[in-house]
Amino acid sequence: EVKLLESGGGLVQPGGSMRLSCAASGFTFTDFYMNWIRQPAGKAPEWLGFIRNKANGYTTEYNPSVKGRFTISRDNTQNMLYLQMNTLRAEDTATYYCARFEGNYWGQGVMVTVSS
Amino acid sequence: DIQMTQAPSSLPASLGDRVTITCRASQDIGNYLRWFQQKPGKSPRLMIYGATNLAAGVPSRFSGSRSGSDYSLTISSLESEDMADYYCLQSKESPLTFGSGTKLEIK
Repeated sequence: EVKLLESGGGLVQPGGSMRLSCAASGFTFTDFYMNWIRQPAGKAPEWLGFIRNKANGYTTEYNPSVKGRFTISRDNTQNMLYLQMNTLRAEDTATYYCARFEGNYWGQGVMVTVSS
Repeated sequence: DIQMTQAPSSLPASLGDRVTITCRASQDIGNYLRWFQQKPGKSPRLMIYGATNLAAGVPSRFSGSRSGSDYSLTISSLESEDMADYYCLQSKESPLTFGSGTKLEIK
């Protein structure tokens, strides 16, 4: 069974940093692109970026809205996906999801609140 | 960036109604269009992929279509469990972009 489980959310001050993790299981992790998506309360989701699979060199693509502040990485030995978020702003407050679009697998989401 | 203009933002409807939600793409996206359903507190659920293909486990009353740059999600006979938010997503090119959403609610 495919499972994705995010962790690492919480409250952070403006200007701070936070790293989200996504534990993947039930599939060959290296075969798949992995995405991060966020969704502010009551608003549409926003795609943040993805990291490609082994066949495509694990390269990354980012939404310009977060490029330079957010970094997606993966530890293929641990089947872990990461989102490093720096210089956080109030508008980064949202529920963050990791997702594998092939087959439509999403985590349950983790809340990030940026506030003083 | 490719803009996905979704309409309507809110759709009051009655059980048994036929309803249609539309997304218009600002550039050619071919059939790289997915439709998601989202219920409160839940992750999005894929309903349609490739513009017209029903995802696994999705009831046959859901269908997707394309006319040029307009993409539609149709529910042929609305059931109570269909009340949710719906979003389109283009995956033709980066950045992937979602529509602004449609809230389907009981009239």
